[in-house]
Amino acid sequence: DQQVKQNSPSLSVQEGRISILNCDYTNSMFDYFLWYKKYPAEGPTFLISISSIKDKNEDGRFTVFLNKSAKHLSLHIVPSQPGDSAVYFCAARDDNNAGNMLTFGGGTRLMVKP
Amino acid sequence: DADVTQTPRNRITKTGKRIMLECSQTKGHDRMYWYRQDPGLGLRLIYYSFDVKDINKGEISDGYSVSRQAQAKFSLSLESAIPNQTALYFCATSDLGTSGSTDTQYFGPGTRLTVL
Repeated sequence: DQQVKQNSPSLSVQEGRISILNCDYTNSMFDYFLWYKKYPAEGPTFLISISSIKDKNEDGRFTVFLNKSAKHLSLHIVPSQPGDSAVYFCAARDDNNAGNMLTFGGGTRLMVKP
Repeated sequence: DADVTQTPRNRITKTGKRIMLECSQTKGHDRMYWYRQDPGLGLRLIYYSFDVKDINKGEISDGYSVSRQAQAKFSLSLESAIPNQTALYFCATSDLGTSGSTDTQYFGPGTRLTVL
């Protein structure tokens, strides 16, 4: 069973509107969460992260929200731009576990239409 | 120049062949990782290495082996390739962050491997 799930394989949004990408996890030991962005023919690049001691982290147009009780996090992009079109991966790790490996979700393909 | 490079970028091979994928980094990081990406499954960890003398199996190590030749080089081998190893393979590096946790991982551009 996947411990990190992104249930929407794709999302289409109009330029200027808000994009909301969702991620659910099952392992209650996860205490640090990251979002990576991936363009075609490139490797994933780090976008934004959040520690479990917070419920929100903002960086420019990108905000990540964490709801620990629901084991859910979301990435908000406002306003969305065509250059945001990419695959977004949610990832989680347990910082108390030796190795601190990342567990990734399956990804959501975001398409921002001009 | 890219900080994390992978060679080859694309490879087509036949079932049973031995294949080596190479990764080099100039970031000076101690930690290196190999992942494979399959549609809908995200990235899954194959092997990881915290320094030259340290090699660890990840989630899906069966059918793969690795070699950490130097701090900057980490290679992945498929001893006898099979079709279900067709995937996109990524190498990544990270430093040791604060509080003993691994820092952000930096990924190479990927190798697309097709096993016929």
